[in-house]
Amino acid sequence: DVKVTQSSRYLVKRTGEKVFLECVQDMDHENMFWYRQDPGLGLRLIYFSYDVKMKEKGDIPEGYSVSREKKERFSLILESASTNQTSMYLCASSTGGGPYGYTFGSGTRLTVV
Amino acid sequence: GENVEQHPSTLSVQEGDSAVIKCTYSDSASNYFPWYKQELGKRPQLIIDIRSNVGEKKDQRIAVTLNKTAKHFSLHITETQPEDSAVYFCAASRRGGGADGLTFGKGTHLIIQP
Repeated sequence: DVKVTQSSRYLVKRTGEKVFLECVQDMDHENMFWYRQDPGLGLRLIYFSYDVKMKEKGDIPEGYSVSREKKERFSLILESASTNQTSMYLCASSTGGGPYGYTFGSGTRLTVV
Repeated sequence: GENVEQHPSTLSVQEGDSAVIKCTYSDSASNYFPWYKQELGKRPQLIIDIRSNVGEKKDQRIAVTLNKTAKHFSLHITETQPEDSAVYFCAASRRGGGADGLTFGKGTHLIIQP
């Protein structure tokens, strides 16, 4: 059973802080993704990666960066957190050669105060 | 880029009746169309998917249809049960490739009335 694990379920951070959200998958998936989920807006793609050290901007990358130093780990970084980044963040992974469906992590609910 | 529209935003049906959720997409290069179910407080789970070389796919009480010409795909749930209550998301592959990710619709809150 594929597991995608997000390190924190809930986070509260202050405006201006640098925030790291971590995601680890254990099934050797090539592709990893970060989405944010907001009521009425669905899931919006922030960044994705199809290989180690590779990253691509999604639809809403502003204010975010990512890091993928190992195949199993994909980190989302909020360089200077702002209140409009309060959201549910979902990590997902999929196998290469697709497209194939995602397996999602449980999500991190981030509140920026 | 890809744009996915999903309707309705809320759907209430009587238990035992059928439910239909519709999505349209903009990019003719999209070739993969999954559907996800998200129960309250849980992660989205893939329930069915269809590829652009297939017009219809069925799995027990759920089915998906695809009309490539109209850029339209739909989820059909028959004999609805209380456990079908959830938010459902449709999605389409971006730029036709798996590594490029999925664009999601805004979701449909399906309510099954007893």
